[in-house]
Amino acid sequence: EVQLVESGGGLVQPGDSLRLSCAASGFTFSNFWMTWVRQAPGKGLEWVASINKDGSGEYYVDSMKGRITISRDNAKSSLYLQMNSLRAEDTALYYCVRYTRPFDYWGQGTLVTVSS
Amino acid sequence: DIQMTQSPSSVSASVGDRVTITCRASQGVSNWLAWYQQKPGKVPKLLIYSASSLQTGVPSRFSGSGSGTDFTLTISSLQPEDFATYYCQQANSFPLTFGGGTTVEIK
Repeated sequence: EVQLVESGGGLVQPGDSLRLSCAASGFTFSNFWMTWVRQAPGKGLEWVASINKDGSGEYYVDSMKGRITISRDNAKSSLYLQMNSLRAEDTALYYCVRYTRPFDYWGQGTLVTVSS
Repeated sequence: DIQMTQSPSSVSASVGDRVTITCRASQGVSNWLAWYQQKPGKVPKLLIYSASSLQTGVPSRFSGSGSGTDFTLTISSLQPEDFATYYCQQANSFPLTFGGGTTVEIK
């Protein structure tokens, strides 16, 4: 059974940094692109970043480009999202998602709240 | 960037009704279009991929059609468990983009 378990969310102040993690199991992690998708409270879905199978290719949403870095450790079947200079508008539930063009498996999400 | 526009933003319907949701892309996405269902407090669920392919385990009352810029999600006979928000998403090119969502409400 495919499982994606996010962690690392929390309450931070504007300007702070946070690193999200996603532990994958139930599939051969290194064979799949992975993605972060977020959803602000009461709002729609927004794609944040994707990374290819070996980590050599990264893609980012413009609104967060320069502030975030997606990475992966295939030996640990883990996906990461380093977020810096966080803003109030980054407050959202962040989902770890397997990307097979479409998004076929989603984690439960980890909540990031940016507030002073 | 490819903008995805869904209509309507909400629809009220009764059990047994046929419901159609449309999604328009600002430029062609071939058939790289997916549909997701999200219930309140739950994780989005993939319904349709490649515009018209039904994801394993999804009831056959759901169907998708279209290519290029215009797409449709149809629920042939609405069931109580189908009341939810539906999103389209283009997978043609980065940045990947979602439609704004369509909420199917009980009439």
